[in-house]
Amino acid sequence: NAGVMQNPRHLVRRRGQEARLRCSPMKGHSHVYWYRQLPEEGLKFMVYLQKENIIDESGMPKERFSAEFPKEGPSILRIQQVVRGDSAAYFCASSKGEIGGYTFGSGTRLTVV
Amino acid sequence: AQSVTQLDSQVPVFEEAPVELRCNYSSSVSVYLFWYVQYPNQGLQLLLKYLSGSTLVKGINGFEAEFNKSQTSFHLRKPSVHISDTAEYFCAVSVDNNDMRFGAGTRLTVKP
Repeated sequence: NAGVMQNPRHLVRRRGQEARLRCSPMKGHSHVYWYRQLPEEGLKFMVYLQKENIIDESGMPKERFSAEFPKEGPSILRIQQVVRGDSAAYFCASSKGEIGGYTFGSGTRLTVV
Repeated sequence: AQSVTQLDSQVPVFEEAPVELRCNYSSSVSVYLFWYVQYPNQGLQLLLKYLSGSTLVKGINGFEAEFNKSQTSFHLRKPSVHISDTAEYFCAVSVDNNDMRFGAGTRLTVKP
């Protein structure tokens, strides 16, 4: 039973390009959460999605960032026109919705040059 | 909204010594509490969780934590650490499963 799969593991983008981060939840999990981890900081909540719905995006920057979780396929976190400050590790977690049932992926490390 | 404070950013300790990583939370409602471990270049792995019942919670790798409601704390302890315990440890709080908030992390370094 594969865990939460994130790809790519490492992503390098030039300033102004778009970054697309993918997250395939565990089998049977319909809840997906995205977090961002900056150096020397904890994980900051970004967005919570269920299939085809954004449930809570209170942690998402208002501009350039978007997320989706389509009926088929992985969840996508999209960052448009990346800037150096977007460099971070982005983690995805999935769950069935039960308390304490998060499973984390290994993250995507985005570097903006 | 709920929040978590991890009081120590770094904790160095010698092998086989005991360790305590401190965590305090803030919330106006009942909470669920978690400790996660992150090894270099990996995701987070659940160590233990408090949902209800006994305030002393035992987790994997010999770790345990105690929920203290009066002190709003959930400190993580291990009586004897190993080199392999060197990692980043995160305390997290949730009031439902859709809103988990993490502390800034504590870097535990176990020295020989």
